[in-house]
Amino acid sequence: AQTVTQSQPEMSVQEAETVTLSCTYDTSESDYYLFWYKQPPSRQMILVIRQEAYKQQNATENRFSVNFQKAAKSFSLKISDSQLGDAAMYFCALMEYGNKLVFGAGTILRVKS
Amino acid sequence: SAVISQKPSRDICQRGTSLTIQCQVDSQVTMMFWYRQQPGQSLTLIATANQGSEATYESGFVIDKFPISRPNLTFSTLTVSNMSPEDSSIYLCSVGRSSGTIPDTQYFGPGTRLTVL
Repeated sequence: AQTVTQSQPEMSVQEAETVTLSCTYDTSESDYYLFWYKQPPSRQMILVIRQEAYKQQNATENRFSVNFQKAAKSFSLKISDSQLGDAAMYFCALMEYGNKLVFGAGTILRVKS
Repeated sequence: SAVISQKPSRDICQRGTSLTIQCQVDSQVTMMFWYRQQPGQSLTLIATANQGSEATYESGFVIDKFPISRPNLTFSTLTVSNMSPEDSSIYLCSVGRSSGTIPDTQYFGPGTRLTVL
């Protein structure tokens, strides 16, 4: 069975600084996708970044990048130059090929001005 | 991505009643999903809404409690039946999108916040 673990219930970062959110997962499949979603208080789930497991290159989207370690089953999110608008709940999620999403418990990110 | 709308955005209901939530997508999609997010919790998949056939339910969720319709490739409904306060949650629909033939990304609607008194 797929599992996703986020061991940091809450993180804080100073505005303009860098923060890394951790995620580990377990799957028996070799083909899968990993995601980070952001959920602000508005409750809208926003896709932040996506990684295909067969790609060795780490995904990047502007200030957001991942450190994907397939052998270690680790998938961390780095947010650079943090902004007040980055404050939200962040969910790590795993999707096996064509299948459902399995989510971690989430990490609350607070950004201090 | 996709433009996904949900109705209602929120509702307060009495126990024992039922509520139907609608999900509309701006383009045809193969896969639609319904998730529940209980207060302070992560998201849990309720079921996959299949067009033209019965929905596929996850363990712990049953059709009598959460009947789902999928009449076409752009629309689905989830009904929460015989509600109790434990059903108070955010209900979200999502759609699968793909860069090829198999869905490899999911996008979410804005969610419906349900409170049961």
